[in-house]
Amino acid sequence: QQQVKQSPQSLIVQKGGISIINCAYENTAFDYFPWYQQFPGKGPALLIAIRPDVSEKKEGRFTISFNKSAKQFSLHIMDSQPGDSATYFCAASKDTGGFKTIFGAGTRLFVKA
Amino acid sequence: DTGVSQDPRHKITKRGQNVTFRCDPISEHNRLYWYRQTLGQGPEFLTYFQNEAQLEKSRLLSDRFSAERPKGSFSTLEIQRTEQGDSAMYLCASSGRDREKYGYTFGSGTRLTVV
Repeated sequence: QQQVKQSPQSLIVQKGGISIINCAYENTAFDYFPWYQQFPGKGPALLIAIRPDVSEKKEGRFTISFNKSAKQFSLHIMDSQPGDSATYFCAASKDTGGFKTIFGAGTRLFVKA
Repeated sequence: DTGVSQDPRHKITKRGQNVTFRCDPISEHNRLYWYRQTLGQGPEFLTYFQNEAQLEKSRLLSDRFSAERPKGSFSTLEIQRTEQGDSAMYLCASSGRDREKYGYTFGSGTRLTVV
């Protein structure tokens, strides 16, 4: 069920730099697009989410950009910090599916101090 | 405790044995989900409950897997006759009616190793 494709698989960024992770989806019925952050040994934690009627959403250093026509969305982490080193998952869900969420394969981010 | 609790955190079992995992969701959340995550992959949907009703099961979930959520509170996931391919992290998540407010809250998972 590869309905959400995520890239890159891994990313190395200098401290203070911008981390960019991209996702593409196939099912136009999806209407909710969250990003999750996962640290080793922990479950994923909701970071930020967006609906398709909005092109951008910003929360602190984290921004989602959404392109409905291209069926693509991305996560930007500004001023990346070593504490941001984690695995990030994009995801998609739809209201009619009981909010069942489909996850991308993940991006391992390492922020160099 | 306002989080999702999973027990046990780790389970090592011999092939062919049965195992059962427990999940305690956030008390006010009416939806509960089970996912499976293998190394280097994103979580894969297994099943979900709305209150006590199991509303969807993934085709990934063979007949050896069964889940329950009696009285719409905690949930259990049982795997019968375990196989080495069942080795994975089993994640439980819960959500409220307003996903904008709650999204999914995941537990820390149960790591299963079948030897």
